[in-house]
Amino acid sequence: QKEVEQNSGPLSVPEGAIASLNCTYSDRVSQSFFWYRQYSGKSPELIMSIYSNGDKEDGRFTAQLNKASQYVSLLIRDSQPSDSATYLCAMNTGNQFYFGTGTSLTVIP
Amino acid sequence: GAGVSQSPRYKVTKRGQDVALRCDPISGHVSLYWYRQALGQGPEFLTYFNYEAQQDKSGLPNDRFSAERPEGSISTLTIQRTEQRDSAMYRCASSATSGTPTNTGELFFGEGSRLTVL
Repeated sequence: QKEVEQNSGPLSVPEGAIASLNCTYSDRVSQSFFWYRQYSGKSPELIMSIYSNGDKEDGRFTAQLNKASQYVSLLIRDSQPSDSATYLCAMNTGNQFYFGTGTSLTVIP
Repeated sequence: GAGVSQSPRYKVTKRGQDVALRCDPISGHVSLYWYRQALGQGPEFLTYFNYEAQQDKSGLPNDRFSAERPEGSISTLTIQRTEQRDSAMYRCASSATSGTPTNTGELFFGEGSRLTVL
């Protein structure tokens, strides 16, 4: 299996702070990268996708990709208690999607 | 259907029994994936289909596991002679896109089938 590495956390941030989630991957061929959010007991849902080097912003979320360093990150600005979940980093190689182990985020009110 | 549907949602079986888990993807979705997710872990790839063709089954743990999608829609994951270590959440996901070197399609997950082998 391709390697997708994440810090498992748990990560705790106060409400309103910036949460930073990081991910590294081993396959230089991978072209597409994704962040999924998984609430406890629920299925993963896509929140961000990124394909090119640089930053991609969507509301309070910013994904950053550095293919040379094989690194992808997710920043959550103005964190809210509703952001408390496990965040899964995923990469696509060919038609296969590989997931990391996830980082658990808790936003403290 | 409106979303990916999996059944049964919960399955408790005795060691040595066979189980069949069903996935009904979003209508028209070309690709269908099976994952296994242990508690506190990310989804682990098992196999995937484009239409009815099984493109990759390298993630299936051993030959007790098999999957099919005979008409390119509903898929069944079968586990023969279940063992306690097979206990996990089995998740199905579908994607609208396929056949491109870089699949930019989003995966839509079902609610999963939780298997417990006693």
